[in-house]
Amino acid sequence: GAVVSQHPSRVICKSGTSVKIECRSLDFQATTMFWYRQFPKKSLMLMATSNEGSKATYEQGVEKDKFLINHASLTLSTLTVTSAHPEDSSFYICSARANSGRAGNEQFFGPGTRLTVL
Amino acid sequence: QQQVKQSPQSLIVQKGGISIINCAYENTAFDYFPWYQQFPGKGPALLIAIRPDVSEKKEGRFTISFNKSAKQFSLHIMDSQPGDSATYFCAASVRGTASKLTFGTGTRLQVTL
Repeated sequence: GAVVSQHPSRVICKSGTSVKIECRSLDFQATTMFWYRQFPKKSLMLMATSNEGSKATYEQGVEKDKFLINHASLTLSTLTVTSAHPEDSSFYICSARANSGRAGNEQFFGPGTRLTVL
Repeated sequence: QQQVKQSPQSLIVQKGGISIINCAYENTAFDYFPWYQQFPGKGPALLIAIRPDVSEKKEGRFTISFNKSAKQFSLHIMDSQPGDSATYFCAASVRGTASKLTFGTGTRLQVTL
């Protein structure tokens, strides 16, 4: 149990286009989902926290108009990178925190999405 | 401000040896300390986690040691295997803050034959 999927796993796009990444909790409901960004050989950097049915909370320095997050259901959150540019190329990882019934603080991570902007 | 410091940055251990990775934190409100294992091109996977009410937790070959007074915790991998070669991250979070995790900088472990 506790599986989180991401789609697509890899995407290559042209500069100026928008890219949507989906994060799904497959076998549990997740009130809270998190989006991270990871550069090569670096740690995970939290971008935003999203709660189902409400606006996402962005970390300092993360442009909310650039990285649009929607958490429309208890099993799906999406991250849209708008007007992507080469500097947005990175590994994007989501995680989901289960509702009550599991260890309250435990996050389950998706496999990540490699975004390359040409 | 980095709230969780992790060392070493990289580690080479022979097969069968013990791998030890250390983390130190600053925020005394942290009350959940997980360790994650990440293989290249994959998302992190939870290995083991501990809360500050215990000083040690063991699961198979993996052990967390926790020193609350020193604000330090460490991961010990016993009988290290080549398949353990990965990047390991420690993390910490505060209950009641949406469980936001603060990650350490990561340790690249290589287990040689």
